[in-house]
Order: sequence, then C-alpha cells, then structure tokens
Amino acid sequence: TQLLEQSPQFLSIQEGENLTVYCNSSSVFSSLQWYRQEPGEGPVLLVTVVTGGEVKKLKRLTFQFGDARKDSSLHITAAQPGDTGLYLCAGVSNTGFQKLVFGTGTRLLVSP
Amino acid sequence: DTAVSQTPKYLVTQMGNDKSIKCEQNLGHDTMYWYKQDSKKFLKIMFSYNNKELIINETVPNRFSPKSPDKAHLNLHINSLELGDSAVYFCASSQVGGKTNEKLFFGSGTQLSVL
Repeated sequence: TQLLEQSPQFLSIQEGENLTVYCNSSSVFSSLQWYRQEPGEGPVLLVTVVTGGEVKKLKRLTFQFGDARKDSSLHITAAQPGDTGLYLCAGVSNTGFQKLVFGTGTRLLVSP
Repeated sequence: DTAVSQTPKYLVTQMGNDKSIKCEQNLGHDTMYWYKQDSKKFLKIMFSYNNKELIINETVPNRFSPKSPDKAHLNLHINSLELGDSAVYFCASSQVGGKTNEKLFFGSGTQLSVL
C-alpha cells in the first residue's frame, strides 16, 4: 500500500510568516499534486509536478518534487489569512490504471 | 454553473437504512470517482468509472454499489448503513482518467451521519 505522510499535521501561524509543508513516501510516484480544501468544499488542485527535482511557483507558493519522486514540499512565503485551509498532497500511482493516493493532510491556520 | 454537483449536501439517517447520493458533472469528462474522507480528513478512493465502465474498485464493502447511467452521472447507493459509514463522500471527475497529470474536479461533498 502506498502511503503519503504529511508534516506537520497542524500549523497555526501569524500573518506574514513563512512555512513549509512536507509530503513523504517510500514509494515512487509518476507525478505529485497539491490540493487545498476549505471547510464544506471539495479539494481544489493547486499544482502538478511531474519531473524529479521540478520546482513550480504559484504566487507566494513554491512547490518542489523530490529528485527521486518520492517526496514533495510546499513553501508559503508571507502567509495570509486567505491561505488558511487543509493542504493535501496526492501521488499518482504507477500501478495499473493510474489513481491518486492522497496524503494525510496538513491543516493550516493563518491568523491576522 | 457548478462543474461537479452532488446531492444531498447533508444526509442524516438511522443505522440499517439504505440511502443514495447522486453526482453529476457538466464538464464533458470521461472519468468519475467516489472518494471517502474520514473524520481525520484522510481522503481515499472508493470507485472510478470511465465511460460508464468500472475501472477502480477499492476494498469497499459490497453494501456500497456505484451506478453510472451515463458518463455525466455517477451515483452511490449504500445498503444497511453502519455507524462506521459516517464520513464525507466526494464525487470527482477528470477529463480522461489514468494520466500522469490528470486534474480532478471535486464536488462539494455529502456529509453522511449515521445514528
């Protein structure tokens, strides 16, 4: 069974701080996605990283895929209250029909 | 226009009852999914249909039966509901399914509470 562990599980910070969320696995994934989920809503895709070592930026968010395609990180610069939510990484499995395996989630609370 | 819509939003029912959740997508996608999110927010795939054909069937009790009358609809019927079925169920769709950079579009979820 492929597992994706995220850390930290919960993060409470002040507006303007920087933070990093980690997504780790012992399995190799063909690609990795990051989603953000707000209360009462479904996850919304933020980014997909495909190549080992790839770095993608989305405004204040920087995503990196590990060289071995087993891990990823999400770095947020100068966090805003609007960044509050549940962040989920999801690996695309290589076994048979490709499916998403979701991480354990990181709940982020950014206070003004 | 809501891309992936599921009904009902909330479902409260007694143990032993049978209930259904409906899902529709207007994106023209070929693949639809059901995911279950538990109280710890862990999201796990249950089923996937591609053009009305069952593609993924994870280890789910056979009390759960998905039905896809056409590629725009994927419903989930649950028989003999148990306390442990309480969770948020998400429907999702993707354009093709099975691609490395496939983007999933999720509905807003159905919160099922079994009493």
